[in-house]
Amino acid sequence: GAVVSQHPSWVICKSGTSVKIECRSLDFQATTMFWYRQFPKQSLMLMATSNEGSKATYEQGVEKDKFLINHASLTLSTLTVTSAHPEDSSFYICSAREGKNQPQHFGDGTRLSIL
Amino acid sequence: GQQVMQIPQYQHVQEGEDFTTYCNSSTTLSNIQWYKQRPGGHPVFLIQLVKSGEVKKQKRLTFQFGEAKKNSSLHITATQTTDVGTYFCAAADSWGKLQFGAGTQVVVTP
Repeated sequence: GAVVSQHPSWVICKSGTSVKIECRSLDFQATTMFWYRQFPKQSLMLMATSNEGSKATYEQGVEKDKFLINHASLTLSTLTVTSAHPEDSSFYICSAREGKNQPQHFGDGTRLSIL
Repeated sequence: GQQVMQIPQYQHVQEGEDFTTYCNSSTTLSNIQWYKQRPGGHPVFLIQLVKSGEVKKQKRLTFQFGEAKKNSSLHITATQTTDVGTYFCAAADSWGKLQFGAGTQVVVTP
């Protein structure tokens, strides 16, 4: 089946640090990847849509300068949380799909804790 | 974008019992997807429903898409402890972006 690898799974760092999270589709090509944020016991909130070879599309209220997304290839998208602060602490999950009407396959998620 | 309402948000089930979680939208959906997220894990795709009135089964799970394509349900029979987790419905817009429901957190007691 379709496998999506997300790395790292857990990050603890100081306030002001920038953190990069990688999302890879291991056995399929993903023209589109998605980045979500999930707070405890809440649903997934879409942050942005990452398209290979073009700029990411951000959802309303998500700061594009704060959450930098790069989709360098058909199998890799990265999310960089710049100058992270405690309020950025959350569970970040990526997903990837092969085509527009195909289901999304999720990575294991990254738990980010900013001290 | 379209909003998807999901109820109940919490379901406490005795092992062996059945339960149903419901998803409703005020607009017609092109398709609806269901995902399961185990505690501490990531969402796992269960199924996609596309046709009006569609019913699909996966062992003890029965998924239904309403005739008007505005609602969907997931029914689980003879609940087992392995069914623990949060079940999300998600509606795709014309771009294929998913709007997730609030989820139904299922707790199973032996």
